[in-house]
Amino acid sequence: GAVVSQHPSRVICKSGTSVKIECRSLDFQATTMFWYRQFPKQSLMLMATSNEGSKATYEQGVEKDKFLINHASLTLSTLTVTSAHPEDSSFYICSARDIQGLNTEAFFGQGTRLTVV
Amino acid sequence: AQTVTQSQPEMSVQEAETVTLSCTYDTSESDYYLFWYKQPPSRQMILVIRQEAYKQQNATENRFSVNFQKAAKSFSLKISDSQLGDAAMYFCAYRSATNDMRFGAGTRLTVKP
Repeated sequence: GAVVSQHPSRVICKSGTSVKIECRSLDFQATTMFWYRQFPKQSLMLMATSNEGSKATYEQGVEKDKFLINHASLTLSTLTVTSAHPEDSSFYICSARDIQGLNTEAFFGQGTRLTVV
Repeated sequence: AQTVTQSQPEMSVQEAETVTLSCTYDTSESDYYLFWYKQPPSRQMILVIRQEAYKQQNATENRFSVNFQKAAKSFSLKISDSQLGDAAMYFCAYRSATNDMRFGAGTRLTVKP
């Protein structure tokens, strides 16, 4: 199957700083990427839909100024957690779909465990 | 908005036995896709099986099969000949024509040797 690479896999940052998470589709082009957040022992909650060349679409309750999403190319989307606080600590997962649309599934990155201290 | 419900927070099965995980969903759309994903302790999401809503035939992937009841909006996963490596969290997911995917709360499957 297609490969989505997410980096870093783990990051610890100080409260008040910003951290960037990258999501790359390695062997296909993705016009749309998705960002999810997963709390321990809970499901994946969609945060936003990232569209190449345009603004991201955020789910209700997600602060767009805190979670900045940039989708500058067909293979890269970034999520920046700005002015991070301990409550932002979570597991963040991205997914992407092939631009050709031949596959109906979404391919997931390995996830990023963010800890804000 | 579409919702996905998994009513079994935890399930347990004996190795080599069969187990069925339940999933129901709510939608007003006619064109959509359904998925079962497995999430082991590594937390990598692994696609187990997928079903297109327009297909009446139930999808099958080796030991994994689904019972898709479109009218009842039900999409259960059957795991046959359960193996120790099947132990994981299982998420049912719905993908609409607009491409965003929604997940159920998950079912933690334990496989007993």
